[in-house]
Amino acid sequence: GQQLNQSPQSMFIQEGEDVSMNCTSSSIFNTWLWYKQDPGEGPVLLIALYKAGELTSNGRLTAQFGITRKDSFLNISASIPSDVGIYFCAGHGSSNTGKLIFGQGTTLQVKP
Amino acid sequence: DVKVTQSSRYLVKRTGEKVFLECVQDMDHENMFWYRQDPGLGLRLIYFSYDVKMKEKGDIPEGYSVSREKKERFSLILESASTNQTSMYLCASSFDRSVQYFGPGTRLTVT
Repeated sequence: GQQLNQSPQSMFIQEGEDVSMNCTSSSIFNTWLWYKQDPGEGPVLLIALYKAGELTSNGRLTAQFGITRKDSFLNISASIPSDVGIYFCAGHGSSNTGKLIFGQGTTLQVKP
Repeated sequence: DVKVTQSSRYLVKRTGEKVFLECVQDMDHENMFWYRQDPGLGLRLIYFSYDVKMKEKGDIPEGYSVSREKKERFSLILESASTNQTSMYLCASSFDRSVQYFGPGTRLTVT
């Protein structure tokens, strides 16, 4: 099935550094979502974006809905060890189904 | 806060057994979903439901069925479990079909 192109696949950073990841699609989306998944757990919703150009923050996290509606970015500022996990983007298109299209995930490791 | 719960965190079943995975949400959402997650394959949609007694096939419905008798509960059924159904199963619910809230997952092993 269709997948989003999420990059980078993995990141290994020092505590305190900022992190950026992004997702791109060949299709237009009406909603972009960012999730975080810890090992053995379900994905937890971090940020939902509904409008092209929208910039939304949740604590140290900031996400943007690309102006073309085909991409989205997630930034994490001043990373801490508990930021470790897999981050997924997901997009929802104009169809009236509930199908989300997921990125492959970005694995983040933070060195204390 | 949205709460989605799944009946078991870990389950071990034998090949050929009938397996029931239960999911309950407490936010009065009409939409509920079942996914499986496998390394390298990501999240794949099995079935979803927009209302009580209503179901739609997702991308990989073969070998599975679902039941939605009450709005808050969505069950996934493996009619005859096989080893290739060993996976992490995730339930989700949604108010508007786009923003989905996931449960903690059930790690199913079929031996």
